[in-house]
Amino acid sequence: GENVEQHPSTLSVQEGDSAVIKCTYSDSASNYFPWYKQELGKGPQLIIDIRSNVGEKKDQRIAVTLNKTAKHFSLHITETQPEDSAVYFCAATPLSGTYKYIFGTGTRLKVLA
Amino acid sequence: GAVVSQHPSRVICKSGTSVKIECRSLDFQATTMFWYRQFPKQSLMLMATSNEGSKATYEQGVEKDKFLINHASLTLSTLTVTSAHPEDSSFYICSALQGSNYGYTFGSGTRLTVV
Repeated sequence: GENVEQHPSTLSVQEGDSAVIKCTYSDSASNYFPWYKQELGKGPQLIIDIRSNVGEKKDQRIAVTLNKTAKHFSLHITETQPEDSAVYFCAATPLSGTYKYIFGTGTRLKVLA
Repeated sequence: GAVVSQHPSRVICKSGTSVKIECRSLDFQATTMFWYRQFPKQSLMLMATSNEGSKATYEQGVEKDKFLINHASLTLSTLTVTSAHPEDSSFYICSALQGSNYGYTFGSGTRLTVV
């Protein structure tokens, strides 16, 4: 079955710096890769996603890159702000069949003011 | 965008009682909903897949008689934790699938504390 590894588990950056979180997946059938931000005591919120027919997607300060050959995808946050502090989860799914998401283990991002 | 409402946000119950958590898709029909459990500082663990009009599919190790799931309509799924015990205390989160080309939308979660 699918396995998703996520690194690092914790990440501290200075305000204004960039943050990069990386995930690798094992199932080549996975074709949809969302990223979620979870604040304390709340449900995960989708911040960006990418499909396997695209190599990169950007939305203001957030970007995601996908390397299908290597089976890894990354979240890039530029010009980080204190409100970016949260736990970020990547996920992978084939978006077919059971539609199950396999989540990474999460990255706790702390942006230092 | 798609909105999923989950209630209650927090609940405290006594050991041995049952607790029902509701998950509603507000502006779309969800034939499939998912229930997750999350322990502190851990990832989301899928408990079961809820399909409208049919029995839920439980993940390995999840007791279906303890975690009752009902998906009676296209906009509502419920999770009932029966005979709750302190070890059932956790953060429960639902998500709904809007369609085959869309990802999940998550509810805001329910913090269950069993005393």
